[in-house]
Amino acid sequence: EPEVTQTPSHQVTQMGQEVILRCVPISNHLYFYWYRQILGQKVEFLVSFYNNEISEKSEIFDDQFSVERPDGSNFTLKIRSTKLEDSAMYFCARTRAGTGEGYTFGSGTRLTVV
Amino acid sequence: ILNVEQSPQSLHVQEGDSTNFTCSFPSSNFYALHWYRWETAKSPEALFVMTLNGDEKKKGRISATLNTKEGYSYLYIKGSQPEDSATYLCAPYSGAGSYQLTFGKGTKLSVIP
Repeated sequence: EPEVTQTPSHQVTQMGQEVILRCVPISNHLYFYWYRQILGQKVEFLVSFYNNEISEKSEIFDDQFSVERPDGSNFTLKIRSTKLEDSAMYFCARTRAGTGEGYTFGSGTRLTVV
Repeated sequence: ILNVEQSPQSLHVQEGDSTNFTCSFPSSNFYALHWYRWETAKSPEALFVMTLNGDEKKKGRISATLNTKEGYSYLYIKGSQPEDSATYLCAPYSGAGSYQLTFGKGTKLSVIP
């Protein structure tokens, strides 16, 4: 299985700006997820994505967040108007549910909102 | 949202020592438990996925046990090496939804050469 690659590895943005975090590759046969970890806190579930649509989302995943698969391969997380508290490490992950396999996590994007 | 507790929060051991830490989770609505190893500046790496009560899994010097009736899992590292230094995360899955995990805060292990 190919690794899960995320870009950028680090992004600094001003409060109120939009950011797009990218994750590649993507397959129709897997569940994909976005998680984040705010420094010093637990890794938190944001959203799951399967068959080109959101499968489940957490309370964190409000209207400021969206996920897309714009070109059939990339899997993106967009934050429309970033807040200081969005500063975190964002991870994309994939799994083949029901196989007993763990997640394969992406390399992560560290988002810093200033 | 599952309440997942890991202890201790951090641990320093000498190279060669064996160590273990705990993950506690609700025993009701249990489906699977994941363990991950997360080294600094890297992404979490899957160690084990456990589902059956009494299950024991092993990968090299690392092993894990599972008690679903009382809601805990132990991770053991035999003869710790500096390369074992990492944060170890556990994450139960309740069987609901889309296989999303609820992570504990982790146990940060530092192995002193």
